[in-house]
Amino acid sequence: DGGITQSPKYLFRKEGQNVTLSCEQNLNHDAMYWYRQDPGQGLRLIYYSQIVNDFQKGDIAEGYSVSREKKESFPLTVTSAQKNPTAFYLCASRNNRGPYEQYFGPGTRLTVT
Amino acid sequence: AQKVTQAQTEISVVEKEDVTLDCVYETRDTTYYLFWYKQPPSGELVFLIRRNSFDEQNEISGRYSWNFQKSTSSFNFTITASQVVDSAVYFCALSLGSSNTGKLIFGQGTTLQVKP
Repeated sequence: DGGITQSPKYLFRKEGQNVTLSCEQNLNHDAMYWYRQDPGQGLRLIYYSQIVNDFQKGDIAEGYSVSREKKESFPLTVTSAQKNPTAFYLCASRNNRGPYEQYFGPGTRLTVT
Repeated sequence: AQKVTQAQTEISVVEKEDVTLDCVYETRDTTYYLFWYKQPPSGELVFLIRRNSFDEQNEISGRYSWNFQKSTSSFNFTITASQVVDSAVYFCALSLGSSNTGKLIFGQGTTLQVKP
């Protein structure tokens, strides 16, 4: 079955620790995206990558880092510099040649205390 | 600036009622794409529909229908004969054709509760 996997579903960390969220897709999509969702709000773009070895900052990139070494994988690191990291994180991917909708993974709920 | 507004924060209906979720967008681009996504309690966003700016045809898929009107910059979503399984948060989103990055601009979402 083709799709996007994110692990783990729930993640707990102590303040001051870096944490890496995994995102893998087997849809052969070119582009991948990371979004953050806070309670009662829409999704905001953190980082995106349209091709391997290239990525761009989204609207709220401060305190986050990414890498895109393989087409299938786009991990997101939440660093200790992120002031309010507790949130729901969603990964998505799409085909650059169309159709242009993004498909989403199940999300990771990160809690930092 | 680009923006998507979903003015209805929460809607509550009784099963079998029809319900319309409003979406108004702002952009100066002539080529853009509009989307609706459903977020059930599990959290994953489920793609429902994509509409291109040059195609104003309305669309119907089972109990779901979408009304796209460029004159009012609206892309409304109607669920006919709602069911409890329709309970979810629904997001409207906009993507610009000029940048081709695929970046989605989301509305705040509308929480739909369908009561039995």
